[in-house]
Amino acid sequence: QKEVEQDPGPLSVPEGAIVSLNCTYSNSAFQYFMWYRQYSRKGPELLMYTYSSGNKEDGRFTAQVDKSSKYISLFIRDSQPSDSATYLCAIHNTDKLIFGTGTRLQVFP
Amino acid sequence: GAVVSQHPSRVICKSGTSVKIECRSLDFQATTMFWYRQFPKQSLMLMATSNEGSKATYEQGVEKDKFLINHASLTLSTLTVTSAHPEDSSFYICSPATSADTQYFGPGTRLTVL
Repeated sequence: QKEVEQDPGPLSVPEGAIVSLNCTYSNSAFQYFMWYRQYSRKGPELLMYTYSSGNKEDGRFTAQVDKSSKYISLFIRDSQPSDSATYLCAIHNTDKLIFGTGTRLQVFP
Repeated sequence: GAVVSQHPSRVICKSGTSVKIECRSLDFQATTMFWYRQFPKQSLMLMATSNEGSKATYEQGVEKDKFLINHASLTLSTLTVTSAHPEDSSFYICSPATSADTQYFGPGTRLTVL
């Protein structure tokens, strides 16, 4: 079983839609969870960072961690064409980041 | 935010040649440098971790004699792909980290080996 699993998509939504991106992980000891956005042929950039369970909101983005089901989510409200990118979940395991495969999101006008 | 540069951004080389990729942290000091590889439509895979002035630690399956990492200063690290082959064609991304374990990512270098 992979440590982090993520549906690769692609996910295509109209502008203004609410987007839900999800990952599952295998080790209940993981505590630090991140979401990165990666535009085509660019390095990833950190979007959200959460510790343990709960929600964290930043503008149109909400990160959610459910440790009981080992499930992490990123919600994007009022999605924009500029949100079109690949979104990678990542888990900080001791001194390393473990990435999901990334979900490719396309927001069309 | 922290600024990380990589050079070159793209490189095409012939099979058998060596390629050096530079990674610089422009406005902070990186005590640790991570090097990742990303194949098309796949996730980032950690290749190696290095601390300034120390030898790099390579992940399982990554040949240390093929991927030479130098982290001689707190603002510069290099990855040299020696005797490159077409299967080494990939997107290489450096990720310098501060002493607070905050990681930043470079813009990546696309390597194509003919």
